[in-house]
Formats: sequence, structure tokens, C-alpha cells
Amino acid sequence: GDSVTQMEGPVTLSEEAFLTINCTYTATGYPSLFWYVQYPGEGLQLLLKATKADDKGSNKGFEATYRKETTSFHLEKGSVQVSDSAVYFCALITSNTGNQFYFGTGTSLTVIP
Amino acid sequence: DVKVTQSSRYLVKRTGEKVFLECVQDMDHENMFWYRQDPGLGLRLIYFSYDVKMKEKGDIPEGYSVSREKKERFSLILESASTNQTSMYLCASSLPSAWSGELFFGEGSRLTVL
Repeated sequence: GDSVTQMEGPVTLSEEAFLTINCTYTATGYPSLFWYVQYPGEGLQLLLKATKADDKGSNKGFEATYRKETTSFHLEKGSVQVSDSAVYFCALITSNTGNQFYFGTGTSLTVIP
Repeated sequence: DVKVTQSSRYLVKRTGEKVFLECVQDMDHENMFWYRQDPGLGLRLIYFSYDVKMKEKGDIPEGYSVSREKKERFSLILESASTNQTSMYLCASSLPSAWSGELFFGEGSRLTVL
């Protein structure tokens, strides 16, 4: 079946450090891939997405590239800020799943000054 | 600004009580979803609806039911709450072509069952 596996947390980084959160997927169809972010006390919101192989999604300094050969969609940011502290979720949807999204377990990031 | 509104941010209920969680969206979206979020388990889909009066079971529908009488409103019902239903509940909505779009989430309802 379809699933998403993302790296365990929590992750703690100093401000201006480089961030990578790994995400790999298994899909029976051709997936679209997403990163959602949940700031403390809030619901999830879309951070970025990619809908076909080799696409790069980007937003707020975050990037992720859809790698079909490695079935991965790793999230990166070159210089994190305290305001990036949140929980990050990788997710996919395919034409086979209809309207159902599959989410990873989430990775908690804390950025310290 | 698009919005998904969940009626209660925090609820405390007793075992056996009937619980209603309400969700309203103002984006005229066809699809609506209920997830529960638990540490280490991520988001798990309880039910979703792709049209008024239509519903589909998600991955963990046991102990829950839903109602969608109007397009903008999707209710989650716990007929007889149990302690293992203590969780954060998230409502979301999307357009029909969700596979290329996005989910819009409410802020969540944290339910504690004593």
C-alpha cells in the first residue's frame, strides 16, 4: 500500500544551522508529494509541494526535490531560524488513493538561539 | 482569508458520554476530512466526505461516526466516548482534485476523556 516514512525526531538545531529532514515513500500509483508544517497551537498548513519527478518545491527558504529513483522527498533549509520551530509532516496522495492523503509521523524541530 | 473552523479547541468529557465535534469551512470545498493526531503515530484518517450526505471510512473509523448535512459542515460523533479516544482531532477540507492541490486544516480540537 501507500505510505510515507520520515526521520524520527525530535531535532534540535542552533540558529543558522543547516536542516535536513528525510522522507521516503512507497506508492502504488504516481504520487504528488507534500510537506506540511504545524506551528505550536495551530493546525497543519501546506509548506511546499511537488507533483512530478524532479520537481522542486520551495517556500520560506525550505526546499524539497521529488526524486523518483530514490523515492524520496527530503526537506532542506540552509539556515534555520527560531521561528522555524514546529512539527513537519511529509505526505503523499496518488490517483490510486483518490482523495486520501497519507502522512508521515511528523518530525519535531526546535531551533535554539 | 480561507478558513476551516472547529467549534471547540479543548473539551473534557467522561467515559460513555456522546461527543460532537463540529467543523465548518468557508471555501465551498467538496471534500472534508477528520483526522486524529497522536504522538509517534502522525495523522490517521477517521472518515472523509466528498459530497453532502456522502461519507467514506478512513483507516480508523471504529468508535466514530460522521454527518454531513450541508456542504460547509462536517461533524464527527463519538457515540460513547472512551479513554483511548483522548487525542487531538483535526478537520480539513480540499477541492475534488486533491491529488494536485492541498488540504486546509482547522486549528484542532483536543479531547480528553476521563
